[in-house]
Amino acid sequence: DGGITQSPKYLFRKEGQNVTLSCEQNLNHDAMYWYRQDPGQGLRLIYYSQIVNDFQKGDIAEGYSVSREKKESFPLTVTSAQKNPTAFYLCASSLYAGMSSTGELFFGEGSRLTVL
Amino acid sequence: SQQGEEDPQALSIQEGENATMNCSYKTSINNLQWYRQNSGRGLVHLILIRSNEREKHSGRLRVTLDTSKKSSSLLITASRAADTASYFCATDRSGSEKLVFGKGTKLTVNP
Repeated sequence: DGGITQSPKYLFRKEGQNVTLSCEQNLNHDAMYWYRQDPGQGLRLIYYSQIVNDFQKGDIAEGYSVSREKKESFPLTVTSAQKNPTAFYLCASSLYAGMSSTGELFFGEGSRLTVL
Repeated sequence: SQQGEEDPQALSIQEGENATMNCSYKTSINNLQWYRQNSGRGLVHLILIRSNEREKHSGRLRVTLDTSKKSSSLLITASRAADTASYFCATDRSGSEKLVFGKGTKLTVNP
């Protein structure tokens, strides 16, 4: 079945450690996105990529890094510079990566990161 | 930055009743989308309405869009306990490649 797979589902990290969250899609979508969700805050965009080897910062990119070496994969690294990394992280993809419009997003099941 | 704001923040109804959620936004948009999220899960797309459309239906869902008031509403008719979830609106601002989500409405449907 086509879809988006995020792993791990739960992750615990000690302060000062970098962690990488995986996101893989087999939908042949051009665009991929990372969102952060905190209780009562809705979703905030971290990074997005519309094409392989290119990505743009979202609204809260500080303390995060990404890569897009393959169309199917868009891993997110939460670095030690991220001051409050405990959150629910959601990866999404979309078919249409036009310059003036965004289509339907398909989401993974999320990764919950807890910093101890 | 939040573009859409849902109202109310929380809504509790009985099974069989209709549920109405509202979304207001600030700038011109290409389209507006509604998503559903069950607790601890990813979001699922429900419906997309373009800026030149006024109403759209999908099963028990009815979405309206009023661009003059910069607002949208999502109506779920004949609600079921399984409709219990958070509902988010997301706007696609003109000239932008990004969707911006509101904070959501938490709907509880009591059996």
